Amino acid sequence: GAGVSQSPSNKVTEKGKDVELRCDPISGHTALYWYRQRLGQGLEFLIYFQGNSAPDKSGLPSDRFSAERTGESVSTLTIQRTQQEDSAVYLCASSFGQTTDTQYFGPGTRLTVL
Amino acid sequence: QQQVKQSPQSLIVQKGGISIINCAYENTAFDYFPWYQQFPGKGPALLIAIRPDVSEKKEGRFTISFNKSAKQFSLHIMDSQPGDSATYFCAASKEYGGSQGNLIFGKGTKLSVKP
Repeated sequence: GAGVSQSPSNKVTEKGKDVELRCDPISGHTALYWYRQRLGQGLEFLIYFQGNSAPDKSGLPSDRFSAERTGESVSTLTIQRTQQEDSAVYLCASSFGQTTDTQYFGPGTRLTVL
Repeated sequence: QQQVKQSPQSLIVQKGGISIINCAYENTAFDYFPWYQQFPGKGPALLIAIRPDVSEKKEGRFTISFNKSAKQFSLHIMDSQPGDSATYFCAASKEYGGSQGNLIFGKGTKLSVKP
């Protein structure tokens, strides 16, 4: 079946612009996670959705970052007034919802802020 | 505060050799320890995972060894192959309490297996 998909695959933007990153999880997966991967680094947790609610937003680095999920499906991560330090690969993962269920990752969106 | 420390940062192994990657964690509440494999341009994919009620788990050429008292776990890749060349991440999460399911990742080990 189809895996987690993310769009766009690459995004180049100018400092100060807003960007939206999209994640389509595996059908039936109730849990959805966003992570950020800076060059040569591990993945940093950003936010977790269970259904359409986000019980854990603790990883969002600033109030410029927000995310929403609708219909227990698609999620959008929005970064406002982008800064150069926001440049990274943004990865989305989904799982069936139990805390130790396997998280399946999408290919990521590579964001470059000039 | 880095909750999961991974070493080495990079590793070169000859084909047929054993690759060993180590991780140490700080939070005793962690109770799920997966390893992820990531190829360039791809998202990470689960390789193997262990719970702290066992000291070792083996799947094919991949083995996780777990030492609860030392708060350490390691990945062993036996008979390493060039196709194993990738970046490997250890991770940890806790089932109960806050941050349920959120994976805390190590910084990764870039493995190169030379033919």
